Amino acid sequence: ILNVEQSPQSLHVQEGDSTNFTCSFPSSNFYALHWYRWETAKSPEALFVMTLNGDEKKKGRISATLNTKEGYSYLYIKGSQPEDSATYLCASNQGGKLIFGQGTELSVKP
Amino acid sequence: DTAVSQTPKYLVTQMGNDKSIKCEQNLGHDTMYWYKQDSKKFLKIMFSYNNKELIINETVPNRFSPKSPDKAHLNLHINSLELGDSAVYFCASSHGEGALGETQYFGPGTRLLVL
Repeated sequence: ILNVEQSPQSLHVQEGDSTNFTCSFPSSNFYALHWYRWETAKSPEALFVMTLNGDEKKKGRISATLNTKEGYSYLYIKGSQPEDSATYLCASNQGGKLIFGQGTELSVKP
Repeated sequence: DTAVSQTPKYLVTQMGNDKSIKCEQNLGHDTMYWYKQDSKKFLKIMFSYNNKELIINETVPNRFSPKSPDKAHLNLHINSLELGDSAVYFCASSHGEGALGETQYFGPGTRLLVL
């Protein structure tokens, strides 16, 4: 099992700020890269599954890009709102197993 | 309707006891998973079952035994509980076997505390 790393570990922004964070994953034997949003005491909620190099996905104010050759993905949030506060997890699909990073904890202050 | 449900939500028990956590999904998925959130808050895969057949077993101690009575249920039985088993356990499900990047849908977690 090869590691997945996310940075930063935590991020504090003001309402209205745009922000982004990084997920690094093993580029060899790539299957898919997943992004999840996880609020405390709730289930992780799927945001995106990305499979192709150069993929860009968007859901409202949240978007993600994928570079499978160099092994990274960026998640962007445009105009952060307090309800965006959560931990954002990425996971590399390694042959059917999701290997998760430790998450980026985002806090958006009104 | 809850897509992936787990019972109980909280479980407090003594060291040495045997306990079970139940998971049910009503999404019609073929594959179900158990993950453990470790002390560093990483989610780590423990097991997966596809149509009641074990397909992933991540060298979890054999005190942990998953049981799948049908493809909508995957229960986790833990024998002789140890202090280090205290964690949050998450169930998930997906279409197919997950290797093609199918989304995994997670339950709310079961918080296990072993005293």
